[in-house]
Amino acid sequence: SAVISQKPSRDICQRGTSLTIQCQVDSQVTMMFWYRQQPGQSLTLIATANQGSEATYESGFVIDKFPISRPNLTFSTLTVSNMSPEDSSIYLCSVDGGSGTGRIQYFGAGTRLSVL
Amino acid sequence: RKEVEQDPGPFNVPEGATVAFNCTYSNSASQSFFWYRQDCRKEPKLLMSVYSSGNEDGRFTAQLNRASQYISLLIRDSKLSDSATYLCVVNMARGSTLGRLYFGRGTQLTVWP
Repeated sequence: SAVISQKPSRDICQRGTSLTIQCQVDSQVTMMFWYRQQPGQSLTLIATANQGSEATYESGFVIDKFPISRPNLTFSTLTVSNMSPEDSSIYLCSVDGGSGTGRIQYFGAGTRLSVL
Repeated sequence: RKEVEQDPGPFNVPEGATVAFNCTYSNSASQSFFWYRQDCRKEPKLLMSVYSSGNEDGRFTAQLNRASQYISLLIRDSKLSDSATYLCVVNMARGSTLGRLYFGRGTQLTVWP
């Protein structure tokens, strides 16, 4: 398994500001994933953070709104830009722990974001 | 249609009860299947993988029916500590890549004494 440290654990932000969430893994991983979980909903993949290349964004998510950095194999950041109340959600990073098609994922504890 | 559909519940059962959750998925090319557990205000954690032949882990039994694109989770002898949201998760192939995970909305279970 992987140990994932995510911070901040929670934040309350003003509309129009930006927040950067950090994710640190205790081992080197090829791909890291960023998810959003809105209240009462399941997890939605925002993007896959690849080391050495641009992140791959899912439909409905764009780089200008959710810029991602992946400077090395153990660290990634997700920025939520120009926030609005609709961005209030839990943001989770995760990494693959399985091999082949196993696709078991381990998650950080999440960042609970409230936008006023 | 959503890729993974679950009955959101809530399921409220007494200790010792047997409870079953169901899940359907839309893509017949899906490769692997899981149940995750998410406690209140916590991150999801893997409960068990689901294999074609069905598999059991203590009080938990998972089954997969590929023909019907249906996954189930059975919990026997429910404990108070089983109270959580159970997420059905499917890995769907995308061309030649390993695919990505799709999460159901989750089924909420409350076990009462």
